[in-house]
Amino acid sequence: GENVEQHPSTLSVQEGDSAVIKCTYSDSASNYFPWYKQELGKRPQLIIDIRSNVGEKKDQRIAVTLNKTAKHFSLHITETQPEDSAVYFCAGSGGGADGLTFGKGTHLIIQP
Amino acid sequence: DTAVSQTPKYLVTQMGNDKSIKCEQNLGHDTMYWYKQDSKKFLKIMFSYNNKELIINETVPNRFSPKSPDKAHLNLHINSLELGDSAVYFCASSHRAGAKNIQYFGAGTRLSVL
Repeated sequence: GENVEQHPSTLSVQEGDSAVIKCTYSDSASNYFPWYKQELGKRPQLIIDIRSNVGEKKDQRIAVTLNKTAKHFSLHITETQPEDSAVYFCAGSGGGADGLTFGKGTHLIIQP
Repeated sequence: DTAVSQTPKYLVTQMGNDKSIKCEQNLGHDTMYWYKQDSKKFLKIMFSYNNKELIINETVPNRFSPKSPDKAHLNLHINSLELGDSAVYFCASSHRAGAKNIQYFGAGTRLSVL
């Protein structure tokens, strides 16, 4: 089955700086890679996603890149703000039960 | 209006009891899911349900059983609760079947087994 590895587990950056979170996946059949943001005590919310026919996608301060050959994808957040502080999860679509396989999450801390 | 809603938000119960968590979506989606988030925040798929087809993650104990009275509802029944079942359970839905479709999550049910 699918295995998604996510790094780092914790990332602390200064407000205004950029943050990068990296994920790798194992199932070459995976073709959809969403990123979810989860604030403390809240539900995971989709912030951006990318499909395997695209190498990069951008939405304002957030961008995602995908390298199918290397089986890795990354989330880039520029000009970080305090409200970006949360746990971020990457996921791949090659999981069991026809559901998403999530990485273990990255706790992003934005230092004022 | 909340698109995917779960009840209850919190559930505290004793070991050995049987409990249910309800989930409803008003998005008109065809597929619903249950995920478990453990104390380390690890999110794992338990079930997906689409048009009466249930797909089970093989790691889920058979004490867990989803029940879908209609397309808009997927409830989770848990028998003989164990301490290790303590977690946050999230319901989700997507327009069509398959993990490649955008999934929308409910607010979660925090289950504590004492």
